[in-house]
Amino acid sequence: GNSVTQMEGPVTLSEEAFLTINCTYTATGYPSLFWYVQYPGEGLQLLLKATKADDKGSNKGFEATYRKETTSFHLEKGSVQVSDSAVYFCALRGAAGNKLTFGGGTRVLVKP
Amino acid sequence: DSGVTQTPKHLITATGQRVTLRCSPRSGDLSVYWYQQSLDQGLQFLIQYYNGEERAKGNILERFSAQQFPDLHSELNLSSLELGDSALYFCASSVGAGDPYEQYFGPGTRLTVT
Repeated sequence: GNSVTQMEGPVTLSEEAFLTINCTYTATGYPSLFWYVQYPGEGLQLLLKATKADDKGSNKGFEATYRKETTSFHLEKGSVQVSDSAVYFCALRGAAGNKLTFGGGTRVLVKP
Repeated sequence: DSGVTQTPKHLITATGQRVTLRCSPRSGDLSVYWYQQSLDQGLQFLIQYYNGEERAKGNILERFSAQQFPDLHSELNLSSLELGDSALYFCASSVGAGDPYEQYFGPGTRLTVT
């Protein structure tokens, strides 16, 4: 079946540091890939997505590129802010197109 | 604010009891999804309804059931509750069923079983 593996946290950074969260997946066919963010006490918000190989999703300074050859979708941001402190989830939606399969989540803490 | 509402926000109950969680999708969305977020299992898909019909099923226990009503709101019923059912339960909605429709998540219902 489909699965998503992402790096375990917590990741602690200083403001303006570079952030990378690794995500790899296993899926049959051509899944769509997503990054969701969960701020404290809130639900999940879609951060960015990519639907085919070599697509780059971007939003709010975050980027991720769909790499089929390495089955990866790593999240990056060049300069983080304290407000980026949250839990980040990598997810995929398989060929059947219904459910989302999530990674375990990575907690990011940005200190001033 | 995603436009998806869930009630109640918090629920505390005892083992063996039954509870009902409610979800109202975004206006115009026909599909509703339920997910469970627990410390040991992470975020898992439970079940999906589309326009009143069950469309997909995930790791949903037999003690759990769901339905979607004609006004498109959905309820998740959890019975014979166990300590391990303590979790955050999310509802999401989308316009259609599956690709390419984005799922919008509600704020969740936190269930504590004591």
